Amino acid sequence: RKEVEQDPGPFNVPEGATVAFNCTYSNSASQSFFWYRQDCRKEPKLLMSVYSSGNEDGRFTAQLNRASQYISLLIRDSKLSDSATYLCVVTATSTKFSGGYNKLIFGAGTRLAVHP
Amino acid sequence: DTAVSQTPKYLVTQMGNDKSIKCEQNLGHDTMYWYKQDSKKFLKIMFSYNNKELIINETVPNRFSPKSPDKAHLNLHINSLELGDSAVYFCASSQEEYRHIRLSSTDTQYFGPGTRLTVL
Repeated sequence: RKEVEQDPGPFNVPEGATVAFNCTYSNSASQSFFWYRQDCRKEPKLLMSVYSSGNEDGRFTAQLNRASQYISLLIRDSKLSDSATYLCVVTATSTKFSGGYNKLIFGAGTRLAVHP
Repeated sequence: DTAVSQTPKYLVTQMGNDKSIKCEQNLGHDTMYWYKQDSKKFLKIMFSYNNKELIINETVPNRFSPKSPDKAHLNLHINSLELGDSAVYFCASSQEEYRHIRLSSTDTQYFGPGTRLTVL
């Protein structure tokens, strides 16, 4: 089982639509959760952190369910500029070196295409 | 005034060659990373350095050797390149500070533009 699983999509939606992405993670010890955005042939950029109580940033709402190990991202009123791949990211402890440092585990991403 | 820069942007080379990718960040961050994104788009951490000290090494072949001359630079040298090394390599940095051993990983990681490596 992959550490972070996402529906690869693509999700093709018209402008103005509401779209939701889901993500599940396997490590119950994960402490921090994020959504990153990656445009085609570009680097990933942090979209938002995800908090247990849920959080909103403009048109974007993130939810976390620790019991189900499930994270979601809701985008309202989609814009053409929202077209990108959305990466679900969780933390895990790296045990392959000394110290037990945390690392980010990325899902493969869900591709969103918003059309006029 | 690019925050995290990498050179080169594209690298095409033959199997068996040795190549290096350079990374520099001007954000004053303490921690830098190398990630590999393969053809299936999975982004996986390879190494992490904090103040020039290696702190994460994720089962990467010995042919890959990171070097951090100072905390603003993290270079990646690859010996005896193989076909499977073809990927996009991203450098990143964050303002994580290590007091003892555990990292909270709540600080944003800023990624460089990537180096697309093609091994023929």
